[in-house]
Amino acid sequence: LAKTTQPISMDSYEGQEVNITCSHNNIATNDYITWYQQFPSQGPRFIIQGYKTKVTNEVASLFIPADRKSSTLSLPRVSLSDTAVYYCLVGDGGGLTGGGNKLTFGTGTQLKVEL
Amino acid sequence: GAVVSQHPSRVICKSGTSVKIECRSLDFQATTMFWYRQFPKKSLMLMATSNEGSKATYEQGVEKDKFLINHASLTLSTLTVTSAHPEDSSFYICSAGQGQGKETQYFGPGTRLLVL
Repeated sequence: LAKTTQPISMDSYEGQEVNITCSHNNIATNDYITWYQQFPSQGPRFIIQGYKTKVTNEVASLFIPADRKSSTLSLPRVSLSDTAVYYCLVGDGGGLTGGGNKLTFGTGTQLKVEL
Repeated sequence: GAVVSQHPSRVICKSGTSVKIECRSLDFQATTMFWYRQFPKKSLMLMATSNEGSKATYEQGVEKDKFLINHASLTLSTLTVTSAHPEDSSFYICSAGQGQGKETQYFGPGTRLLVL
């Protein structure tokens, strides 16, 4: 399983754009990159997923360079409610054959948003 | 996105008793579900992979006789913590994926277990 490395913590202010970068040097050809958000005492919540280039949805953008050895989650205008732990995960490709995609969680990034 | 539920959301039990936690995929079928545990201020640790109709696959260091997993249907997996002890107190979270090339795993809300 590809290991991921993220900053332990980040601080920001309301209204700012936050970019969290994740390194995954050993990513495999079949692996997707997925970001989750977790609040205390809750299960992780899916934010965004991508394979290469750029993906955008209503809450975030995901930038993946051509070599796919890193990815950057971009939160456009954060608010206090975005204070949470953000996890970058790389799948083992099992989902392509059906069944499920085993995920290994790293330390995550604790984002703290202040006024 | 897909919805995964867990029951109960929290449970308190006496040491030595067994506790069953249910994980359900509400709007999709999941041939594979995953069970995690999370200690305070720590990351999620994968415990086992639950496969519908077959035995679960446990991660290294996880006692299969301690944490019994049953995946009886395509929408339900259960984790039973047998003879629970205070050190089993933790936050247990399940996830499920739709498979068939769709990589996204959806997580349940978690179950807080406190063993007295």
